[in-house]
Amino acid sequence: DTAVSQTPKYLVTQMGNDKSIKCEQNLGHDTMYWYKQDSKKFLKIMFSYNNKELIINETVPNRFSPKSPDKAHLNLHINSLELGDSAVYFCASSQEPAGAAYEQYFGPGTRLTVT
Amino acid sequence: QKEVEQDPGPLSVPEGAIVSLNCTYSNSAFQYFMWYRQYSRKGPELLMYTYSSGNKEDGRFTAQVDKSSKYISLFIRDSQPSDSATYLCATLTGANNLFFGTGTRLTVIP
Repeated sequence: DTAVSQTPKYLVTQMGNDKSIKCEQNLGHDTMYWYKQDSKKFLKIMFSYNNKELIINETVPNRFSPKSPDKAHLNLHINSLELGDSAVYFCASSQEPAGAAYEQYFGPGTRLTVT
Repeated sequence: QKEVEQDPGPLSVPEGAIVSLNCTYSNSAFQYFMWYRQYSRKGPELLMYTYSSGNKEDGRFTAQVDKSSKYISLFIRDSQPSDSATYLCATLTGANNLFFGTGTRLTVIP
């Protein structure tokens, strides 16, 4: 009964390719997030999204785009992959922001390696 | 300046020791302060949160916020090998996004 799941767990690809990471949550939460954790373990918000609003961290390149087919899923598409995109990407979810955004449930992460 | 700055690790202590983990934050408007724990190759999980100032205790863990100095602390009493993990402090912005510190990797030696 996994709360937040991500696929794939590992992704190795070449520069210039386009790839997607999928995320699903079965918690009934309304808000989902994508984070990037670099090699120094710094965890940084990329996007937050609910059915009303997408908030994009201004430092995220527009090669990254979140896509939500429904409330339980938030996928991350990355175009023209670069070496610097190598990192662990975490999906997370929380209840409506007004209530409990401080408590986010994280997936297990997707380790992306760009060669 | 980052929203949250965290004491760099790693930190290695013997079993049973008291551990002190510390962070500072930049924006006095922040009201929620969290500690997340991340085991190796896993996603972070919420350990404790504090709203505004003061202390909060949960078993062997105590979270402390001093808003006058913008200082966040986590104390672990009677540390156990199972406490070995990376501890991330975090604050919640007005846009309801979490900003994390860089994490402190803790190892408790049996």
